[in-house]
Amino acid sequence: GQNIDQPTEMTATEGAIVQINCTYQTSGFNGLFWYQQHAGEAPTFLSYNVLDGLEEKGRFSSFLSRSKGYSYLLLKELQMKDSASYLCAVVDSNYQLIWGAGTKLIIKP
Amino acid sequence: IAGITQAPTSQILAAGRRMTLRCTQDMRHNAMYWYRQDLGLGLRLIHYSNTAGTTGKGEVPDGYSVSRANTDDFPLTLASAVPSQTSVYFCASSQGDSGRDTGELFFGEGSRLTVL
Repeated sequence: GQNIDQPTEMTATEGAIVQINCTYQTSGFNGLFWYQQHAGEAPTFLSYNVLDGLEEKGRFSSFLSRSKGYSYLLLKELQMKDSASYLCAVVDSNYQLIWGAGTKLIIKP
Repeated sequence: IAGITQAPTSQILAAGRRMTLRCTQDMRHNAMYWYRQDLGLGLRLIHYSNTAGTTGKGEVPDGYSVSRANTDDFPLTLASAVPSQTSVYFCASSQGDSGRDTGELFFGEGSRLTVL
């Protein structure tokens, strides 16, 4: 079967750095997405990786290793507004999106 | 502001009733999707449409039906609601390309449905 694993919950301090990991086992691979979802709101796009390596976008970076079936989302200079759930999703060989259950990130002052 | 509009925002429904969740997008996207989101579970695909006039079943299609008469609208119908269909429903769209779409998904604000 297809599977996406993420930690259920993480806690970090304002101003710090946090890394949210995502491992996947899917039938094929055609890209990996990270979405942010604030409580009670819709998911919004953060990043997309299809090649190995690091993609940086402001305070957020996303890394992919296809050989290891592994990605992480790195958030720097954490702000209270970064408190949200972060969803990892993989595009499989049929171009279907497989979603992880999400990681709830709690930021403390 | 362009995007996806869902209605209703929330609804309490008696079991056995019929319910249609509406979804409209104005981005001229080809592909549209309906997901349900339950606590502790990832987004689960109910039905999708790669282009107007076509629909397909997702991971959890039972008890739901959809139609795609035009590009903009993609309603989701629960023919006879059951309590297990209590969930938050998200409609989404993407640019789409005949099923080989890997583009960004744009989501509506969600419809919170409670079936008693």
